[in-house]
Amino acid sequence: ETGVTQSPTHLIKTRGQQVTLRCSSQSGHNTVSWYQQALGQGPQFIFQYYREEENGRGNFPPRFSGLQFPNYSSELNVNALELDDSALYLCASSQPGYNEQFFGPGTRLTVL
Amino acid sequence: DQQVKQNSPSLSVQEGRISILNCDYTNSMFDYFLWYKKYPAEGPTFLISISSIKDKNEDGRFTVFLNKSAKHLSLHIVPSQPGDSAVYFCAAGLQGAQKLVFGQGTRLTINP
Repeated sequence: ETGVTQSPTHLIKTRGQQVTLRCSSQSGHNTVSWYQQALGQGPQFIFQYYREEENGRGNFPPRFSGLQFPNYSSELNVNALELDDSALYLCASSQPGYNEQFFGPGTRLTVL
Repeated sequence: DQQVKQNSPSLSVQEGRISILNCDYTNSMFDYFLWYKKYPAEGPTFLISISSIKDKNEDGRFTVFLNKSAKHLSLHIVPSQPGDSAVYFCAAGLQGAQKLVFGQGTRLTINP
């Protein structure tokens, strides 16, 4: 059974640029959630995708957007990067009817 | 508005003794709770969960206690082992909702 994978591991961008982060869900999981973890804080919910549709969103601006593909993998896109977007971005997958979410290793984004 | 709080940023425990990590929440609508462990450069790993209809759940060395009237949960690790040294996050959610709300984390150090 393959766990949640994310790419890239690390990324450095400059303010104003755009970035795309990728996630493959755990085998058998059709729901993907994205979280942002700032240094010294717990993960904060960005949004969730189920059946290729956004299925709930946290308190993040529209420049944070996503996609889910038929194979349940997902992308997180962030436009007009700001310095405060520097964080660890975590993807988690889950099965319908189960509360547990299983996380990938994360992508460390640095915005200069 | 911090709905889930872990008031102890760090905890140091001797190997073989009991580790007790605490978590408080403010939203009485939360109906399930989870604990995650996180090593550096890895994503959070699911440890144990509890539904609001229970007051205790046990899995090997890990036991989670829920006190709904006090809006408090705790994770007990007995006996503590060096490999338990990590950051522990508690999280809460609502059945049928999408997001998990995380605390800020507690860094547990197990001393030989």
